[in-house]
Amino acid sequence: DGGITQSPKYLFRKEGQNVTLSCEQNLNHDAMYWYRQDPGQGLRLIYYSQIVNDFQKGDIAEGYSVSREKKESFPLTVTSAQKNPTAFYLCACHPGLAGYNEQFFGPGTRLTVL
Amino acid sequence: AQSVSQHNHHVILSEAASLELGCNYSYGGTVNLFWYVQYPGQHLQLLLKYFSGDPLVKGIKGFEAEFIKSKFSFNLRKPSVQWSDTAEYFCAVNGGNQGGKLIFGQGTELSVKP
Repeated sequence: DGGITQSPKYLFRKEGQNVTLSCEQNLNHDAMYWYRQDPGQGLRLIYYSQIVNDFQKGDIAEGYSVSREKKESFPLTVTSAQKNPTAFYLCACHPGLAGYNEQFFGPGTRLTVL
Repeated sequence: AQSVSQHNHHVILSEAASLELGCNYSYGGTVNLFWYVQYPGQHLQLLLKYFSGDPLVKGIKGFEAEFIKSKFSFNLRKPSVQWSDTAEYFCAVNGGNQGGKLIFGQGTELSVKP
C-alpha cells in the first residue's frame, strides 16, 4: 500500500528542547517537502529536497533543520532556535521534475511546545 | 516573488447553494495550478489541476475551476454544495521551471449548513 506517513500524530515538548518529526514515503518519489500550517496563513514551505543528499531552504527555514540520507525519508528537526514552534507540520512528496504532477501529503504532525 | 491570494478566509453556505472561491496568483511565466482540499481530520488531497489545454478543468466531487490567464485567476466552483463539502480549500501555483515546488494561498474555510 503506497503512501506517505508521518509520526507521531501529536507531539508535546518543553520549550528549549529539539524535536524531530518523521516523514517516510514508499512512492519512490525523488522530491520531498516540509510545510508548516498555521490558521489563516496557508502552507508555508520550510525545506525541500529534490534528490538524496541535497536539500534547500524554503521561505521559513530559520530554526529548522533537515537531512535526506535516504530517498524514502526526510526528517525535520525543530530546534530550540525556532521562536514559535507550535504548529501543524505537513510533509509531502513529488515524483520530481515535471511541475504538473501533484504533491502527495502525509497526515501531519501537530507539535505543541509547552 | 511569486504569491497566491485567496479572497475569502471563511465562507458559510447552506446546502444546495452555489460556490465560487477566488484565487489569484502573481507569476509571469508558465504556471501549473492546483486546488487542494483538507477535510476535517484527513490528509490534504488534490481536487483538480490545470497545466495545459482546456482552461475549464473538472475535478473530483463535482468541482471545477477556470483558468483565466489575463486575470491571473483560477477560481474554484461547484453548482450545488453539500454538507460533506465542509473543509478547507487551498489554491497552489507551480512555476513551470521549478520542479514540483508549490506556493500556497492562505486557504478558505468552507462551512456548509445542512
